[in-house]
Amino acid sequence: KQEVTQIPAALSVPEGENLVLNCSFTDSAIYNLQWFRQDPGKGLTSLLLIQSSQREQTSGRLNASLDKSSGRSTLYIAASQPGDSATYLCAASNYGGSQGNLIFGKGTKLSVKP
Amino acid sequence: DAGVIQSPRHEVTEMGQEVTLRCKPISGHDYLFWYRQTMMRGLELLIYFNNNVPIDDSGMPEDRFSAKMPNASFSTLKIQPSEPRDSAVYFCASSFGISGETQYFGPGTRLLVL
Repeated sequence: KQEVTQIPAALSVPEGENLVLNCSFTDSAIYNLQWFRQDPGKGLTSLLLIQSSQREQTSGRLNASLDKSSGRSTLYIAASQPGDSATYLCAASNYGGSQGNLIFGKGTKLSVKP
Repeated sequence: DAGVIQSPRHEVTEMGQEVTLRCKPISGHDYLFWYRQTMMRGLELLIYFNNNVPIDDSGMPEDRFSAKMPNASFSTLKIQPSEPRDSAVYFCASSFGISGETQYFGPGTRLLVL
């Protein structure tokens, strides 16, 4: 059974700092891995989706990597801004199971201080 | 497009009452998902539909929960009778296709069962 873990649960950094959020998964037979952002009281917004055949995806200041062999994904945020403050969740979709079944981590709550 | 629309945004009810949550997916999307988010368990998939047909309901916690999708633009999640442990935020999401496609989330319904 796939399990997704995100450590730390919370992170506070000063504005302008580059940072890395971590996501680990137990079953390497993933179909894809996605990173989402959740603002308080809001739904999830998809940031990046990495297919199993890819190693990374980039969008603006965000870069997500995937290493299936080690069961890890990272989300790199460059030059962090207070507007980046939110909870970031990763989710894995597995082969062999229902492809609609995204398994989510519990998220890392990021706070960027001005 | 207005995105995924959910109603109500907040619901407070008493134990034993019936609760109906509603969702309008993005027009043209053929997949619809219902999730539940709690502090303890994080975000969990309850059920998803493809072209209005339920595909995987293995996440539905018990028979008190039921979901329907009578047409491509409307879905309901019903809890009858409700219990305090059902208190959570319920999200609806939709996508066009499923393999490697991004899911778009609604703002959620915050349910409190007293």
